[in-house]
Amino acid sequence: QSALTQPASVSGSPGQSITISCTGTSSDVGGFNYVSWYQQHPGKAPKVMIFAVGKRPSGVSNRFSGSKSGNTASLTISGLQAEDEADYYCSSYTSSSTWVFGGGTKLTVL
Amino acid sequence: QVQLQESGPGLVKPSQTLSLTCTVSGGSISSGSFYWSWIRQPAGKGLEWVGHIYTSGRTTYSPSLKSRVLISLDTSKNQFSLNLNSLTAADTAVYYCARVTIGVASFDDWGQGTPVTVSS
Repeated sequence: QSALTQPASVSGSPGQSITISCTGTSSDVGGFNYVSWYQQHPGKAPKVMIFAVGKRPSGVSNRFSGSKSGNTASLTISGLQAEDEADYYCSSYTSSSTWVFGGGTKLTVL
Repeated sequence: QVQLQESGPGLVKPSQTLSLTCTVSGGSISSGSFYWSWIRQPAGKGLEWVGHIYTSGRTTYSPSLKSRVLISLDTSKNQFSLNLNSLTAADTAVYYCARVTIGVASFDDWGQGTPVTVSS
């Protein structure tokens, strides 16, 4: 199974919105509504920000939202804040009953 | 609130077997609602799913690691373990244990991670 495709980096200014894409295939992203997104600060464990494509865990800011169209999922962060600067990873359940991650996207808040 | 904690050697020699344990507190590993997973991350690189185990003992592994991986459960200690054999430098990474909620398929809870270096 190949890793999901994410842009290596994105950037935005405080208050702006950014979107990170995550492209897979019909065997993973396109085939299931089991896409999740993780935020990882340096030296820390990942933290789930979005699950099941567009649902937010309790405690996660509503500035984070997720969506999916075909084989591509997206994470949008609105009202960018300095604390949002981190690496972001998407993940999807697959038709082989396994999981696959994206390569990760480094978000820089300018 | 469930907590997961990895433990194991930080340095292992090439060709040897890595053994890591994840101790779960604040929740039972025997719960039928979760998969218990291992994920790794080489320095400066992305996350790689290694595999998981269900309370029944049923396992699923990454196709790329399947021939070298074994994940097991110890319900009496509320722990699950990872064995990875025939190690090479490419296995050097931070290893995380995590809990997946069945039906949601997201890694909801993570350990802090344990660094493993494969070197002679």
